[in-house]
Amino acid sequence: NAGVTQTPKFQVLKTGQSMTLQCAQDMNHEYMSWYRQDPGMGLRLIHYSVGAGITDQGEVPNGYNVSRSTTEDFPLRLLSAAPSQTSVYFCASSYSPTGGTEAFFGQGTRLTVV
Amino acid sequence: GENVEQHPSTLSVQEGDSAVIKCTYSDSASNYFPWYKQELGKRPQLIIDIRSNVGEKKDQRIAVTLNKTAKHFSLHITETQPEDSAVYFCAALNTGFQKLVFGTGTRLLVSP
Repeated sequence: NAGVTQTPKFQVLKTGQSMTLQCAQDMNHEYMSWYRQDPGMGLRLIHYSVGAGITDQGEVPNGYNVSRSTTEDFPLRLLSAAPSQTSVYFCASSYSPTGGTEAFFGQGTRLTVV
Repeated sequence: GENVEQHPSTLSVQEGDSAVIKCTYSDSASNYFPWYKQELGKRPQLIIDIRSNVGEKKDQRIAVTLNKTAKHFSLHITETQPEDSAVYFCAALNTGFQKLVFGTGTRLLVSP
């Protein structure tokens, strides 16, 4: 059982480049979300989705786009990378469409913007 | 929106001691409070959670308490072991707004 799979695991971008972080889950979970983790700041919610075709903004959405065309996939797009987006990114999914059940995290993507 | 504060940011204990981590939340309508453990270089994993209709929940050496009136909840680890060393995150969710908000984390170090 793969759970939540994120790719890539590491990425270095130049300022201004764009890229997509991939996230896929095989647990048929309705709720999916993206977090960024920075030292001393915990996990901050970027965007989330309660089902295919439905997305909404979290605490720190600026500079990121998401879409949810299928239940399984929830990619995160960086439109024009900035050094402030250097972080570790985690995708998570949970069974409940409202998020009130265990969240399963992917292994994370360490992104460096130079 | 919801704001979760977590204290302390670091906690050092001797093996066998108890450890307590405290969190406060701002949204009185929040109704789900999970705790996650993150070992170095790993993903966060759920260790225990509590809902607003329950005051306390235990699972072996860990327990969580919730005080809705004061809007705070705590994680208690008894008989700590070196493998408990990790970063612990609390979180709060208002299932109506669907945003799971995390605290800033507590680094727990258990010395043998």
